[in-house]
Amino acid sequence: EAQVTQNPRYLITVTGKKLTVTCSQNMNHEYMSWYRQDPGLGLRQIYYSMNVEVTDKGDVPEGYKVSRKEKRNFPLILESPSPNQTSLYFCASRGDRATQYFGPGTRLTVL
Amino acid sequence: AQSVTQPDIHITVSEGASLELRCNYSYGATPYLFWYVQSPGQGLQLLLKYFSGDTLVQGIKGFEAEFKRSQSSFNLRKPSVHWSDAAEYFCAVGARSGYSTLTFGKGTMLLVSP
Repeated sequence: EAQVTQNPRYLITVTGKKLTVTCSQNMNHEYMSWYRQDPGLGLRQIYYSMNVEVTDKGDVPEGYKVSRKEKRNFPLILESPSPNQTSLYFCASRGDRATQYFGPGTRLTVL
Repeated sequence: AQSVTQPDIHITVSEGASLELRCNYSYGATPYLFWYVQSPGQGLQLLLKYFSGDTLVQGIKGFEAEFKRSQSSFNLRKPSVHWSDAAEYFCAVGARSGYSTLTFGKGTMLLVSP
């Protein structure tokens, strides 16, 4: 089944403790991205990657890092999380004609 | 800059009644158009998309949308709403060239009353 998977689905952590949210897709898509979703603000793109070893900032990149060492994986890294990064995070991969396929989401709480 | 407007933050519809969710966009040229649905605690699922051709497109779960170029709109419709349709609906647009991301509206929350 074609899908985007994310782990973990839920995470509670404390300020400053580094964390990684994994994302994997099995559709052989080149373009992948990360979004955060906050009430009243909708979906905002954090980072995107057009291919292996090619990444670029989206609309809200501060406090996040990404890497793209393999086509299928695109982890999101928070090296020193802060409470304002409490949010719902989605990974997505882009298929034909701009169609995005989303993962199930990761709900992150930073205390 | 491109933008997507969903003017209704919340809509309440009685079960069995018809539904129309509005979406207007601002874009340099006709973009690709999408509707996604997000059920509580779930990710975003693609409902339907418009690329070209027939301006009335059919999607999953009995939804359809109509592209109106003159109004820069892509409204989502369903003739008879079911309680399971209660969710948040997002309209999105994407460029026909290059690798730009989708631009999303802020979403419309659909509530279904018995």
